[in-house]
Amino acid sequence: DTGVSQDPRHKITKRGQNVTFRCDPISEHNRLYWYRQTLGQGPEFLTYFQNEAQLEKSRLLSDRFSAERPKGSFSTLEIQRTEQGDSAMYLCASNPGPNEKLFFGSGTQLSVL
Amino acid sequence: DQQVKQNSPSLSVQEGRISILNCDYTNSMFDYFLWYKKYPAEGPTFLISISSIKDKNEDGRFTVFLNKSAKHLSLHIVPSQPGDSAVYFCAARVSGYGGSQGNLIFGKGTKLSVKP
Repeated sequence: DTGVSQDPRHKITKRGQNVTFRCDPISEHNRLYWYRQTLGQGPEFLTYFQNEAQLEKSRLLSDRFSAERPKGSFSTLEIQRTEQGDSAMYLCASNPGPNEKLFFGSGTQLSVL
Repeated sequence: DQQVKQNSPSLSVQEGRISILNCDYTNSMFDYFLWYKKYPAEGPTFLISISSIKDKNEDGRFTVFLNKSAKHLSLHIVPSQPGDSAVYFCAARVSGYGGSQGNLIFGKGTKLSVKP
C-alpha cells in the first residue's frame, strides 16, 4: 500500500511535554498538508508544503507548533509544551499539485492529560 | 464564524433509497466545493467535487448540486447502500488561492447511516 502513512497512530502525553508526529506522503506527491480535527468538528487546515518549502501557515498554528519537510519527502509536526487543548486528531494529506484531490492519512490521535 | 455549515449532524436512510446531504456556505469567494467521506479510524477520502461555474456534477451513484444564489450545495446518493454509512464532510476552497486544493474549509460533517 503506497498511501499516506502517519506515525504514531495514537499518542498519550502529559501536559507540558513535547511530541512529534511523522507523515510520509505518497511518493510522487510534492504537496503535503497538515490538518487538525477535534471531536464534532471538520478538519482544520494548519499548514502546507510544496516540496521542502512551507508556503502557508494558519493562525491556528501557534508558536508552539512547528512543521518541517527537510528533503521534500516526509514531514514532521512538533508540538512543544503541550496543552490539553491540543488534544485532537492530526491529519496529514498530500497531492501531486494544484487542483488535485487530497489523499489523507489515517491520522495521529493525540491525547494530552 | 462558520463559513461552511452542515446543519444536520446525522441522517438515517433505508437501503436502496436516496440519501441527500446538505451544505450551506457564506463566503462568495469559494470557487470549488468538495465532498469527503470518512470511516472511523481512517482519514477522509475524496468523493466528488464541483466547480462554482457548474450546477451539477455526477459520478456513478453520487451527484452534487450547486445553487450559487442560495449558497447551497447537496450530495445525492442513489441508491444508498449500507457501505455508504460514514461521516460526510463538505469542503470549500477560496478562489485565488494559487490553485491549491489544500487549504480547504470543512463543515462539521453529517453522519449517514444506511439501514439494510
